Amino acid sequence: SQTIHQWPATLVQPVGSPLSLECTVEGTSNPNLYWYRQAAGRGLQLLFYSVGIGQISSEVPQNLSASRPQDRQFILSSKKLLLSDSGFYLCAWSPGTRLRNYGYTFGSGTRLTVV
Amino acid sequence: GIQVEQSPPDLILQEGANSTLRCNFSDSVNNLQWFHQNPWGQLINLFYIPSGTKQNGRLSATTVATERYSLLYISSSQTTDSGVYFCAVNRAGNMLTFGGGTRLMVKP
Repeated sequence: SQTIHQWPATLVQPVGSPLSLECTVEGTSNPNLYWYRQAAGRGLQLLFYSVGIGQISSEVPQNLSASRPQDRQFILSSKKLLLSDSGFYLCAWSPGTRLRNYGYTFGSGTRLTVV
Repeated sequence: GIQVEQSPPDLILQEGANSTLRCNFSDSVNNLQWFHQNPWGQLINLFYIPSGTKQNGRLSATTVATERYSLLYISSSQTTDSGVYFCAVNRAGNMLTFGGGTRLMVKP
């Protein structure tokens, strides 16, 4: 069966420090991968998505970047964190097909606090 | 893009009560999912239901795609049902768009 792992679960970082959040998927190949952010309140905002190695699309211009160095690995990074980067970050995957839609499965999330 | 509206925004129930959550969307979709976000933040997939009706224990969902809405039914609610319920949709080639959620509190 497919599983998605995301770490760390919580992170407290000072302003101006770098960030690296990692997400890996097991049990499938060529998945579509996504990074979402949930700020205080309810809304989930799509940050990045990837349909293959090295292919990254950004939905919102921001202080963050994403990379996909391997088929089932998705990394969210920042060179210098801002206070506004605080939030709950969720990684997700869906089966790798561009023609039809299938369900998304989410990781357990990383709660980032920038101080 | 597609607009997704959920109602009610907040709901308080006594344990054992039943409830219906609604999701309206503005355009035709290929995918509709209901998620439960638990107090720890994890998004749990409840249903993948672009059309029709599905049931899983005390939960069931119905999507009427032609009328662009979906309903999530919770019967005999329990305190562990508390959390935020999200509806999310997408069309072919587009990304999943979330509604604003319904925050449910079930009191013992």
